[in-house]
Amino acid sequence: EIVLTQSPGTLSLSPGERATLSCRASQSVSSTYFAWYQQKPGQAPRLLIYGASSRATGIPDRFSGSGSGTDFTLTISRLEPEDFAVYYCQHYGNSPPWTFGQGTKVEIK
Amino acid sequence: EVQLVESGGGLVQPGGSLRLSCAAFGFTFSSYGMHWVRQAPGKGLEYVSAISSNGGSTYYANSVKGRFTISRDNSKNTLYLQMGSLRTEDMAVYYCARENIVLMATDFWGQGTLVTVSS
Repeated sequence: EIVLTQSPGTLSLSPGERATLSCRASQSVSSTYFAWYQQKPGQAPRLLIYGASSRATGIPDRFSGSGSGTDFTLTISRLEPEDFAVYYCQHYGNSPPWTFGQGTKVEIK
Repeated sequence: EVQLVESGGGLVQPGGSLRLSCAAFGFTFSSYGMHWVRQAPGKGLEYVSAISSNGGSTYYANSVKGRFTISRDNSKNTLYLQMGSLRTEDMAVYYCARENIVLMATDFWGQGTLVTVSS
């Protein structure tokens, strides 16, 4: 089973700042099977990025994903108030088990 | 509009059983694999179970294998999770989610249903 480790655990930033979130896989994975989700308190997760770098429908272009192999990054270019949330990376291989990282909380500084 | 609506959560004693349902709207349910993902209070996301579009293939996390059963009724556009021998560690919000094999991700999620296991 692939283990995903996200860092940092918490990111304290101000609106307008740039956020860089990392996710490291325990072994090399195909970027085709890598996704990012956003979760706000009391809400279900929402798909942000699939295929490591493609934005899902309706996701603003301030969100971008990159990476390959074992290291993947989610970047929010300029934080808006609605972006403060928890972000999860996911390895969605072509067979189970699928795994999530433990999450990175982006909080208002 | 794609919608997934879970129901069936509630309070159950340890060792008890519960059946969760997930009603699907706005898409051809029988064409999509479906997943159950849970989130314990204040914790991260954990895969529980998955089922293929025709119900022929299923997957269970080791933590629930032998206790939970996933199923679906494509004529009713509904996904189920039968949970038995419940433990306190099964207490969580349970989400159903649609598998998108083009995106290779779960692209729509329900709002979740809370399962509380307590005596």
